[in-house]
Amino acid sequence: EDQVTQSPEALRLQEGESSSLNCSYTVSGLRGLFWYRQDPGKGPEFLFTLYSAGEEKEKERLKATLTKKESFLHITAPKPEDSATYLCAVQADFGNEKLTFGTGTRLTIIP
Amino acid sequence: DGGITQSPKYLFRKEGQNVTLSCEQNLNHDAMYWYRQDPGQGLRLIYYSQIVNDFQKGDIAEGYSVSREKKESFPLTVTSAQKNPTAFYLCASRLQGSYGYTFGSGTRLTVV
Repeated sequence: EDQVTQSPEALRLQEGESSSLNCSYTVSGLRGLFWYRQDPGKGPEFLFTLYSAGEEKEKERLKATLTKKESFLHITAPKPEDSATYLCAVQADFGNEKLTFGTGTRLTIIP
Repeated sequence: DGGITQSPKYLFRKEGQNVTLSCEQNLNHDAMYWYRQDPGQGLRLIYYSQIVNDFQKGDIAEGYSVSREKKESFPLTVTSAQKNPTAFYLCASRLQGSYGYTFGSGTRLTVV
């Protein structure tokens, strides 16, 4: 069974204090690993898709990396508007339509 | 602007009632999905549909039903058989052959 574990559950950072969120996964052949941002009471907003180990993608202050067992979302010099819950999900190979989600990391950036 | 519209934003259900959540997309996406989100749990797949008039059960389909009569629409009915329906429901869509899922803004269902 596919599994996704995210850590930490919650993270409080001072504005400008860089850090990383972790997503460990077990999947029967990885088709794609997804990062989403979710604000309270809203639907997830797509950030990145990673397909193979060694791949990296960047968007503003965010950078996602992928290994064979985990993915990291690095946040550089965060601002208060980066506060949100960050969700990681995997899609297995072999025509599997389902995304398996982790429980998310709730990030709070303190001004 | 293209996107997914879920309605209503908030819904209250009495015990024993069936309720229907609406999901409409104008992205011309082929596949549509319903997920349920509960505090402390990851999103869980309820049903999905890859083409009109066809749909498959996800991991937690019991107590739910769907239809896909039009490409743009994928309504979810929460039946009285669903014993714990209070949750945040998310609809998503995807263009066949692509990997990106687009989510709607969600419907929060509460049993009163």
